[in-house]
Amino acid sequence: GENVEQHPSTLSVQEGDSAVIKCTYSDSASNYFPWYKQELGKRPQLIIDIRSNVGEKKDQRIAVTLNKTAKHFSLHITETQPEDSAVYFCAASLDSNYQLIWGAGTKLIIKP
Amino acid sequence: GAVVSQHPSRVICKSGTSVKIECRSLDFQATTMFWYRQFPKKSLMLMATSNEGSKATYEQGVEKDKFLINHASLTLSTLTVTSAHPEDSSFYICSAKRGTEAFFGQGTRLTVV
Repeated sequence: GENVEQHPSTLSVQEGDSAVIKCTYSDSASNYFPWYKQELGKRPQLIIDIRSNVGEKKDQRIAVTLNKTAKHFSLHITETQPEDSAVYFCAASLDSNYQLIWGAGTKLIIKP
Repeated sequence: GAVVSQHPSRVICKSGTSVKIECRSLDFQATTMFWYRQFPKKSLMLMATSNEGSKATYEQGVEKDKFLINHASLTLSTLTVTSAHPEDSSFYICSAKRGTEAFFGQGTRLTVV
């Protein structure tokens, strides 16, 4: 079955700098890759997603890139702000399969 | 976006008692819901997949007799932690998918004393 690995487990960046979180997946049939943000004590919420027919997607300061050949995808946050501090999870799934396979999460710390 | 409501948000129970957690999709129908357990500073651990009208599918290592799941309608799934023990204390969170996007409940902080 699918396996998703996420790195790093913790990432500390200076406010204003960029942050990059990387995930790899094992099942080449996976075609949907969302990223969720979970603030302390709150529920995870979708921040951006990408499908396998697209290589990159941007939404303001957030972007996701997908390399199908290498089976990895990354989350890029530019001009980081204190409110970006949270745990970020990547996931992979098949459209036809409702189950999301989750990465282990990355705790992002934005230093003032 | 879609709303998934989970109740209660916090519960404290005595060891040996049972606790029921409800997960409702408020504005869409969900034939499948997912129950996760999340330990402090850890990822979401899938416990089981709840299927409307049929038996839940449990992940390896999850005791089906201890974590009873019922998905009686297209908008409600329940997780009952039976004969709870202190080691069952955790954050339990449900999710339902509309299309490919997963929507999460608020989570339930269970403390067994």
